[in-house]
Amino acid sequence: GESVGLHLPTLSVQEGDNSIINCAYSNSASDYFIWYKQESGKGPQFIIDIRSNMDKRQGQRVTVLLNKTVKHLSLQIAATQPGDSAVYFCAENRGRSSYKLIFGSGTRLLVRP
Amino acid sequence: KAGVTQTPRYLIKTRGQQVTLSCSPISGHRSVSWYQQTPGQGLQFLFEYFSETQRNKGNFPGRFSGRQFSNSRSEMNVSTLELGDSALYLCASSSDRVSSPLHFGNGTRLTVT
Repeated sequence: GESVGLHLPTLSVQEGDNSIINCAYSNSASDYFIWYKQESGKGPQFIIDIRSNMDKRQGQRVTVLLNKTVKHLSLQIAATQPGDSAVYFCAENRGRSSYKLIFGSGTRLLVRP
Repeated sequence: KAGVTQTPRYLIKTRGQQVTLSCSPISGHRSVSWYQQTPGQGLQFLFEYFSETQRNKGNFPGRFSGRQFSNSRSEMNVSTLELGDSALYLCASSSDRVSSPLHFGNGTRLTVT
């Protein structure tokens, strides 16, 4: 079926530590993946994306890893800050030459001072 | 560049009524998508429009409809509202290239009483 799942619903980390948020997807034909951050009262904010022809992509303090063999996606946040506290969603595009994002259920990241 | 703008921000309607939500995409973006977000079902895809044509549709009843205008602005309509339609409705836009990220607005919070 169509599902993108997350292994942990809540992740609590110490400020300054690295955070890793995981995601499993089910459609091996999906070729585009996006991570979003959502703060209370706001819409999802784009963080980083990756295409299926890549294994890793880095941004500012964030890295996305894609393992197509086991259909697993992860988001790594370096030196986690209080401002990183939010809900994080992975999304898989099921559209063909179009957009149809299937979202995971989300992981709440709590950063302890 | 202005982001995705959704109006109104909040709406309260009663069962049986209909509602129209509006979305202005980022300038230059021709793809507009709509998503429903609820605590129970998470983020679910409604439909996607590109150049006034619906390219993709999610698994929602026919009471949910949308359209896109020649200036890429989009509206979605929900007729015969039900209590379960209470949700945050999010609009997202993207450029022509699939595998470029969707950027979301802050949504319209619809409450059906």
